Amino acid sequence: DADVTQTPRNRITKTGKRIMLECSQTKGHDRMYWYRQDPGLGLRLIYYSFDVKDINKGEISDGYSVSRQAQAKFSLSLESAIPNQTALYFCATSGTRSEGGTGELFFGEGSRLTVL
Amino acid sequence: GNSVTQMEGPVTLSEEAFLTINCTYTATGYPSLFWYVQYPGEGLQLLLKATKADDKGSNKGFEATYRKETTSFHLEKGSVQVSDSAVYFCALSELGYTGGFKTIFGAGTRLFVKA
Repeated sequence: DADVTQTPRNRITKTGKRIMLECSQTKGHDRMYWYRQDPGLGLRLIYYSFDVKDINKGEISDGYSVSRQAQAKFSLSLESAIPNQTALYFCATSGTRSEGGTGELFFGEGSRLTVL
Repeated sequence: GNSVTQMEGPVTLSEEAFLTINCTYTATGYPSLFWYVQYPGEGLQLLLKATKADDKGSNKGFEATYRKETTSFHLEKGSVQVSDSAVYFCALSELGYTGGFKTIFGAGTRLFVKA
């Protein structure tokens, strides 16, 4: 089984609908992240969480919200989806330096969202 | 602020050709440098990394050397295979004050390898 699991893997929805993307991990990492991938733009950080009580905005947080339900679970919500939120979304985790981490990110397989 | 610039793609090569994907960075501190690979339909996975200047990361025949003097981390492979067709991302990660890392990605370079 994958260490970082995202659901759903694919979703088609309509403008104005509320969408939730879920992420769970078995890495035991406190740090979790949501990224968005668009062609030619690389990955851009939406939100990140350093532990259950800590949520931080990334560079493109407008139109998104997150919830850290537990150390292992981090969900991303689009309250009212719009077409320019059509993208591939990735959840990732990382270890802290005290855990021996070097900044490596561990990614889920992605959730492809299409907003019509 | 920190940034990563990598060569635009797509890059198309024949099997057994030599590959170079250029990557340069700007950083205020002493970041770790990474190459991630994304195969079709999959998430990103770490290909190789280097955590300090002059370190060479290597994996699956790919290599990259952390060059502080030229702020570069170019990816190379001596003989590519069709199975290397993927998107390659250069990234840097710097330790923040909270003990966590902040990662910046390049735009990605798509590689096509023809048989």
